[in-house]
Amino acid sequence: AQSVTQPDIHITVSEGASLELRCNYSYGATPYLFWYVQSPGQGLQLLLKYFSGDTLVQGIKGFEAEFKRSQSSFNLRKPSVHWSDAAEYFCAVAFDKLIFGTGTRLQVFP
Amino acid sequence: NAGVTQTPKFRVLKTGQSMTLLCAQDMNHEYMYWYRQDPGMGLRLIHYSVGEGTTAKGEVPDGYNVSRLKKQNFLLGLESAAPSQTSVYFCASSYEGGPGIQYFGAGTRLSVL
Repeated sequence: AQSVTQPDIHITVSEGASLELRCNYSYGATPYLFWYVQSPGQGLQLLLKYFSGDTLVQGIKGFEAEFKRSQSSFNLRKPSVHWSDAAEYFCAVAFDKLIFGTGTRLQVFP
Repeated sequence: NAGVTQTPKFRVLKTGQSMTLLCAQDMNHEYMYWYRQDPGMGLRLIHYSVGEGTTAKGEVPDGYNVSRLKKQNFLLGLESAAPSQTSVYFCASSYEGGPGIQYFGAGTRLSVL
């Protein structure tokens, strides 16, 4: 069955530290890949997407993600985290429908 | 720019009561979706619509009904609310299905006592 796995439920980093959020998917072909962010009490906002081409994708707010076909992964990265990045992050894959991972909650300490 | 608007933002129901959640989008999108978000489970698709007058079941449709009488509106109904339907409900819309980017509303927090 098609699935998306975000193995880290909760991550805590210090402000200014680098960040990597993991995402793995299970599917027979390369799906369309997304990262969404949800700030407290808000809806989801698209950070970035991968459809094809360059496997390193740049998004908003200084985030980037790298698609690795051999690992079925689409990890999200940011070189220097800001306190305002504290939120929940969802990886999603689109086959015929959008399937979300269970989310990673990011906490940022000053 | 309104985007996707959900009403109400909060609601408390008693078991057995009914209610309707309204989603409105002003982007002329064909596709609209209703999700529920529960702790540790991400977002799960309840129902969706691929155009005015159409609806289809998603992953967790039981206990919910939907209608899309106008292109810009997508209604989610609970005929007889149950505590298991306590959740945060999100509406989304997209120009196309599958890989289409979805735009989300701010959510409706529903508690069923």
